[in-house]
Amino acid sequence: DTGVSQDPRHKITKRGQNVTFRCDPISEHNRLYWYRQTLGQGPEFLTYFQNEAQLEKSRLLSDRFSAERPKGSFSTLEIQRTEQGDSAMYLCASSPGQWNGYTFGSGTRLTVV
Amino acid sequence: AQTVTQSQPEMSVQEAETVTLSCTYDTSESDYYLFWYKQPPSRQMILVIRQEAYKQQNATENRFSVNFQKAAKSFSLKISDSQLGDAAMYFCAYPKTGANSKLTFGKGITLSVRP
Repeated sequence: DTGVSQDPRHKITKRGQNVTFRCDPISEHNRLYWYRQTLGQGPEFLTYFQNEAQLEKSRLLSDRFSAERPKGSFSTLEIQRTEQGDSAMYLCASSPGQWNGYTFGSGTRLTVV
Repeated sequence: AQTVTQSQPEMSVQEAETVTLSCTYDTSESDYYLFWYKQPPSRQMILVIRQEAYKQQNATENRFSVNFQKAAKSFSLKISDSQLGDAAMYFCAYPKTGANSKLTFGKGITLSVRP
């Protein structure tokens, strides 16, 4: 499978717990993006990596959120002290270049109870 | 500010008929790309079609075509011979100019296809 993989597909957690999501992009793609999508809305940008460098973070990404992409391969998104408002679909996408568009993963659905 | 507007939250089309989904955007740039994405109920986003702003010719991918009007900043998606599998949410997206080229998405249109 040469697509973008995300793990887990679903995560239910109690408020206050920490969660970590993983994204494996297409291996040839040096650009990796994280988005958040709530029901009935379009995806909202969270952060962007080019290779291992995190080049942009949205104001949506509070200090409880952190993302990494060690060695420019897979990426992780961690949410500390989860809140009910964090419940959403977290989408990862990768791209080979500026104008190529994205290939998305299937997303991780987070439910905070 | 760069924004993408999809003003129709829902649309419905009869199977085999044609439907047009509207999108407008706001930009001060002259050279850019525009994208339409499809998100079926399984939730994985799929790139449907891409339009290069410097090309006057509208992009076409099989049953999907674009009506791109640069001056009006309009980017509509036409789906011909609609099929049941076309039922999904459709998002128009515009990339921020610059090295990061992050996409800004509209709110989406839910398309239903009647058999």
